[in-house]
Amino acid sequence: EAQVTQNPRYLITVTGKKLTVTCSQNMNHEYMSWYRQDPGLGLRQIYYSMNVEVTDKGDVPEGYKVSRKEKRNFPLILESPSPNQTSLYFCASSSRGGGSWDVGQPQHFGDGTRLSIL
Amino acid sequence: KQEVTQIPAALSVPEGENLVLNCSFTDSAIYNLQWFRQDPGKGLTSLLLIQSSQREQTSGRLNASLDKSSGRSTLYIAASQPGDSATYLCAVKGSGTYKYIFGTGTRLKVLA
Repeated sequence: EAQVTQNPRYLITVTGKKLTVTCSQNMNHEYMSWYRQDPGLGLRQIYYSMNVEVTDKGDVPEGYKVSRKEKRNFPLILESPSPNQTSLYFCASSSRGGGSWDVGQPQHFGDGTRLSIL
Repeated sequence: KQEVTQIPAALSVPEGENLVLNCSFTDSAIYNLQWFRQDPGKGLTSLLLIQSSQREQTSGRLNASLDKSSGRSTLYIAASQPGDSATYLCAVKGSGTYKYIFGTGTRLKVLA
C-alpha cells in the first residue's frame, strides 16, 4: 500500500531535549516536505527536499533541521525544542512525474505527529 | 508574499445540497492549486489538483475551477452527503518556487 509513515504519532517531552520525528514513504517520490498545523494559522511549510541531499527552507524553518540521506526518508530534527514548537506536524511527498518541476503532482500526507513540549 | 484565504471558515448544510467552497490567493503567478480534505485526527487527502494552464478538474461529485487572473478557485460539491463532513483546504504552489502555501480551511458539516 502506498503510504507516508510518520513516527511517533504522539509525543510529550520537555524543553531542550532533542527529538527526531521520522518520515518514510514507499512511493519512490522525489519531493518530500514537512508542515506544522496550528489553530488559526493553517499549515505552514517548515522544510522541503527536492531529492537526496537537496533541501531548502520553507516559511517557518527556525528551530528545525532536516536531512535527506535516502530517497525514502526525511526526518525532522528539533535540536532544542521549545514550547512554541508544540504543534501537529505532517510529512508529505510527491512525485516529479515525467515533466519538469513546474508541473506539480499531488502531495500525499502522513497521518501526523502531535508534539507537546512542556 | 502569497496569501491564501478560505471563506467561510465553517459551513453547515442539509444533506443533498449542492455547495461551493471558495479559495482566494493574492499572487496570480502560481503553478498549480490543490484541494485537500482533512478528517479529524487524520492527515490530508488530495482531492483535485489543477495546473495553472487548466480551468477545471472533476472527480465524481467534485468539481474544482481555477481563475488565475482573479486569484480564485472554487470547489463545487454536488448532492452533499454526511460523509462529506470534513475540513477542506486549498494550497497553491507559487511560481518560481517549490513551496506550497495553504489556506486555513473551511470546516464543512453536512446534516442528515
